Formats: sequence, C-alpha cells, structure tokens
Amino acid sequence: QQQVKQSPQSLIVQKGGISIINCAYENTAFDYFPWYQQFPGKGPALLIAIRPDVSEKKEGRFTISFNKSAKQFSLHIMDSQPGDSATYFCAASPYSGGSNYKLTFGKGTLLTVNP
Amino acid sequence: DVKVTQSSRYLVKRTGEKVFLECVQDMDHENMFWYRQDPGLGLRLIYFSYDVKMKEKGDIPEGYSVSREKKERFSLILESASTNQTSMYLCASRTGWGTEAFFGQGTRLTVV
Repeated sequence: QQQVKQSPQSLIVQKGGISIINCAYENTAFDYFPWYQQFPGKGPALLIAIRPDVSEKKEGRFTISFNKSAKQFSLHIMDSQPGDSATYFCAASPYSGGSNYKLTFGKGTLLTVNP
Repeated sequence: DVKVTQSSRYLVKRTGEKVFLECVQDMDHENMFWYRQDPGLGLRLIYFSYDVKMKEKGDIPEGYSVSREKKERFSLILESASTNQTSMYLCASRTGWGTEAFFGQGTRLTVV
C-alpha cells in the first residue's frame, strides 16, 4: 500500500516558469509533511516542511500548499532556475511518539529546468 | 555542521556474501533509518531504530537485518547478498517528531 502518492514522475519547465509537484496521502495520522531535494550523487536534503495547522508555507521561491480535507499537499517553485534541476520527494510522518518517527516518502519527481 | 556518514560510497560484492553497510551520526539523534532508493520506486524504508538495541521493520525488511549497539552507529546487514539487492542505500537520522531527517551520501551497492 502506497501511503504517499506523488505526481508527476518527471517535469520539464522553462527557466522562469512555475514548477508544481503534487502529493496525496491516506493516513490521517500523518502530521508533518516535508519536501526533500536530491541532487545527483548526494543524499536528500530538507527543502521545506509544513504542519497541518497552516494551509501554506513560503520560503523564498518555494511554497508548500496544504489541503487537509483533501489530504493533499503540493510544492510550488516560482521563477524556476536551472540550478533547481533535481529530484524532489514529498514525505509524511505521524505525530505520535514511540516508534512512529519514520518518514514515508513519495516516489519522487525528476525536475529539469531548461535555460 | 551536522553529519551522517556512510562508510562506503561504492561497494561491489558477490552473490551469497554477507555484506555490512555502516552509518554513523554525530548529532546524538535517537532515531536512525535505512532506506533503499531505486529509480521509479523512490525511497523505501528497510528498517529503523528508535533507541539503542531497538529496531523495527520497515516496508521491505526481507533479506536484511540491522544492528544498533551504540547510539551513533546503525548497521545494515545483508545476510546473503543477491543481485536484486543491487541498489542505492541511504542512512538517515532524526531526533523526533516534526524534525528534519539528515541523510548520508548513500552507498551504491552492486551485487554480481
């Protein structure tokens, strides 16, 4: 059972355009929703994260939009640059303690920004 | 600067060998994870540990085991390597709920 569904699998955007990646989840216990960015040959690194008490979070050119009732969240990259070309993963984590600190990841989106 | 260090970047092993992948973190994190990354499949959780000597199976534990004798070190063991275990292996650690997970650089394992 895939708990976090991510789309599209790949995305090509022109420089200056808007990149949009979507994720949907099923587990209502999820309470923390990060996005990770991975460049070739590197491990993933946290880009931006949101908790469901807010509907939007913005950090520079990166924005997460969150829709709790639809159980969906998305990453928007404004003014996309060639340096943003990377693989992006959405993830989700439940709020309870104990052994529930694991992150469940989507399958990833390969973003290519053409100059 | 926080760090998760994986002992090898590239590893080539023969079918049937016992393989150890080592991961060390210097952030005093309670939680450590092993993921496997394959094209089109994303990051899949193999095992995680929420305390020393404590472990829990992830989504794809078959063919793997783990060891955590010290807080900073989490080892992934392939008991008898098979070609379908050729993959990128990523170690991560985090302190708790709602916190950033830090990843190592990954170990690209090839089983021949």
